[in-house]
Amino acid sequence: EVQLVESGGGLVQPGGSLRLSCTASRITFSSYAMSWVRQAPGKGLEWVSGISGSGDSTYYADSVKGRFTISRDKSKNTVYLQMNSLRAEDTAVYYCAKDWYSSCYYLFDYWGQGTLVTVSS
Amino acid sequence: DIQMTQSPSSLSAAVGDRVTITCRASQGISNSLAWFQQKPGKAPKSLIYAAISLQSGVPSRFSGSGSGTDFTLTISSLQPEDFATYYCQQYNSYPPTFGPGTKVDVK
Repeated sequence: EVQLVESGGGLVQPGGSLRLSCTASRITFSSYAMSWVRQAPGKGLEWVSGISGSGDSTYYADSVKGRFTISRDKSKNTVYLQMNSLRAEDTAVYYCAKDWYSSCYYLFDYWGQGTLVTVSS
Repeated sequence: DIQMTQSPSSLSAAVGDRVTITCRASQGISNSLAWFQQKPGKAPKSLIYAAISLQSGVPSRFSGSGSGTDFTLTISSLQPEDFATYYCQQYNSYPPTFGPGTKVDVK
């Protein structure tokens, strides 16, 4: 079965940076778009960013546009989320999610276990 | 952005009960609607896509219906492992948006 494993979360001060990674296994990685979805403590799900299977197209929620950058490395079967200028409201568990298609369709069939990002001084 | 609402926000049910959760979109989304189950501390699990289609491996007691703006997730006979929070999500329009969730707990 498809496996997605996130890493890179932790405690960071406001204004700081963090890079999350999501490594996929048991899939033809470049055939699928990937997204990051976050969940603030005790809250619901919020889509953050998506990237096409080729990596040519990227998309961002307004709340993170200009601060976060999504990318992927097909040689490592890994998608990244570079998070800069972090704010307290970015505190959440960040999940990576696999799309059904190579373009961003936002139909998610597999999710990673999540990585916690805490922004606090 | 399309706003998704769910009702009820929570419900209490017993094993064997029939459970129905409603999801409404602020504008028509055709059948581009997915349902997820999430247990505390765990990742969401995909249950249904295209409003009515079960993901592989999902028990047949789960079913979905609806199109346009109004959708329903039904659990025909609630099992102990079904106590969780359920989210709907639309993928018809960018950006994708989720409902606020419905928590199903033990009566």
